[in-house]
Amino acid sequence: SQTIHQWPATLVQPVGSPLSLECTVEGTSNPNLYWYRQAAGRGLQLLFYSVGIGQISSEVPQNLSASRPQDRQFILSSKKLLLSDSGFYLCAWSPTTGTEKLFFGSGTQLSVL
Amino acid sequence: GNSVTQMEGPVTLSEEAFLTINCTYTATGYPSLFWYVQYPGEGLQLLLKATKADDKGSNKGFEATYRKETTSFHLEKGSVQVSDSAVYFCALSENSGYALNFGKGTSLLVTP
Repeated sequence: SQTIHQWPATLVQPVGSPLSLECTVEGTSNPNLYWYRQAAGRGLQLLFYSVGIGQISSEVPQNLSASRPQDRQFILSSKKLLLSDSGFYLCAWSPTTGTEKLFFGSGTQLSVL
Repeated sequence: GNSVTQMEGPVTLSEEAFLTINCTYTATGYPSLFWYVQYPGEGLQLLLKATKADDKGSNKGFEATYRKETTSFHLEKGSVQVSDSAVYFCALSENSGYALNFGKGTSLLVTP
């Protein structure tokens, strides 16, 4: 069966520090991968999605970047965090046939102080 | 652009009460509509979906009907249980697109 791992679960970082959140998927090949963010008082917002290794699409201009160095690995990064980067980050995957069913990780609560 | 609007929470109900969580959408085409649920301490999971007008999605006693005329996909359950306490997200996806647009989520608390 397929599983998705996301870590860390919580993270407290100072403003201006770098960020690296990692997500891996097991039990499937060539998944579509996604990073979402849920900020306080706002809905889930799609940040990045990837349909293959090295293929990243950005939905929202921001202080973040994403990379997919391996088929089942998706990394969210920042060189210098801002206060506004605080939020709940969710990694997700879906089969390559479409987005009707997304499978989510357990999320990372990021607090930038 | 596409967007989803959900009723504000939190919603607090007694066990066995009737539940309605409103959801309306704006879309340029003919989207698929979804309800996702996030139980405490767990990730999001798909609750039900509908892919065309007048379709009814159902699962675990929950139902939602795709109403194109009112651009709505309201979630209903006739008798809620304590175990239904969770955050519920309405979402849409353009059938030719890659990703989902989510509403803000509605927190439901069911008390014994």
